Amino acid sequence: DADVTQTPRNRITKTGKRIMLECSQTKGHDRMYWYRQDPGLGLRLIYYSFDVKDINKGEISDGYSVSRQAQAKFSLSLESAIPNQTALYFCATSDSLGAGATDTQYFGPGTRLTVL
Amino acid sequence: GQNIDQPTEMTATEGAIVQINCTYQTSGFNGLFWYQQHAGEAPTFLSYNVLDGLEEKGRFSSFLSRSKGYSYLLLKELQMKDSASYLCAADSGGYQKVTFGIGTKLQVIP
Repeated sequence: DADVTQTPRNRITKTGKRIMLECSQTKGHDRMYWYRQDPGLGLRLIYYSFDVKDINKGEISDGYSVSRQAQAKFSLSLESAIPNQTALYFCATSDSLGAGATDTQYFGPGTRLTVL
Repeated sequence: GQNIDQPTEMTATEGAIVQINCTYQTSGFNGLFWYQQHAGEAPTFLSYNVLDGLEEKGRFSSFLSRSKGYSYLLLKELQMKDSASYLCAADSGGYQKVTFGIGTKLQVIP
């Protein structure tokens, strides 16, 4: 079973709709991240959470919100989707607490979101 | 701010050796990651360099020079399955931690 899962894997929606992308992990990591990836722009950080009570904006948080429901779950919401939010979205986790932890990030399989 | 530079695309022949370079400028630095990403898939961890020098892991090796803000990933005995994007990422040690480059798309040809 995958350690980091994302649902849905693919989603097509219309401008103005509210969308939620969900991420779950069984790695026991404390840190979780949401990225989007666009051709020519690489991975850009949207939000990150270092524990359940800690949520931080990343490089491109406008138009997005997040919720850390539990250590294992981190969801990303688009309150009113717009076409330029069409992208591949990745959730990732890392471990800051384990012995020898290097904050290596482990990625989910991605969600391909298309906003028409 | 953080700046990561790496070539956009490279082509190499099956069985050959290829070196993918990365330069970085960050406010604070802990180490340098390399990830592999096949088209449409998630990035997967390859290496993390903290100290200067070359670290070898099978066919893949990664080098770091902290004084020069420079790293490279060396792939030996290239195989067709090595066709992928290779992402360089700097761990700045700051609160936001890791900044990714745009990735180098490597095409391995017969």
